[in-house]
Amino acid sequence: DIQMTQSPSSLSASIGDRVTITCRASQTISNCLNWYQQKPGKAPKILIYGASSLQTGVPSRFSGSGSGTDFTLTISSLQPEDFATYYCQQSYSTPNTFGQGTKLQIK
Amino acid sequence: EVHLVESGGGLVKPGGSLRLSCAASGFTFDTFGMNWVRQAPGKGLEWVSSISSSSRYIYYTDSLKGRFTISRDNAKNTLYLQMNSLRAEDTAVYFCARIVSGAWGEFLDSWGQGTLVTVSS
Repeated sequence: DIQMTQSPSSLSASIGDRVTITCRASQTISNCLNWYQQKPGKAPKILIYGASSLQTGVPSRFSGSGSGTDFTLTISSLQPEDFATYYCQQSYSTPNTFGQGTKLQIK
Repeated sequence: EVHLVESGGGLVKPGGSLRLSCAASGFTFDTFGMNWVRQAPGKGLEWVSSISSSSRYIYYTDSLKGRFTISRDNAKNTLYLQMNSLRAEDTAVYFCARIVSGAWGEFLDSWGQGTLVTVSS
């Protein structure tokens, strides 16, 4: 199975900050990388697919980049509704494993 | 609007069985693959199993093979997860989700609200 490692595991930031979360795959996954946002008690929501494609309806302050084994999710200017847990997921091969999550908290 | 509603969760004793259902509406069910993802209390997301639109392709995470069975009834617009020989570590919220596929792989674009399975004596 492909292992996905996110860093950091948790992050404190302020409204308006630029934030970057990193995801590393244990082997190359081309651009088969997705990012999800999950708020407490809710189902995850897709933000970015194919490493850099923004899902319809997702604010443009979210962006993704990377290819191969190293990927990043960037939030250009944090808004109050962005405080949540973020997960990467590879879809290169089954099982389509998730990273362990990055909890983004208010500083 | 896509709507996925899970049901069938509850309290079950170790070694017991449970069948989860996911009722789909708002889209042409038999043209999409479907997925189960679970989340243990306070933990991260775990990919469980997927099934293609025609049920031709079925995949499981290795640790669950032989105990869990995914299936679907396209006439009823319903996805299932049969869970046998349940263990305490299977305690989790189970989500069903719709798969969207393309050149960039696939992603889960719509999710149900989840159903809680608790395995305890």
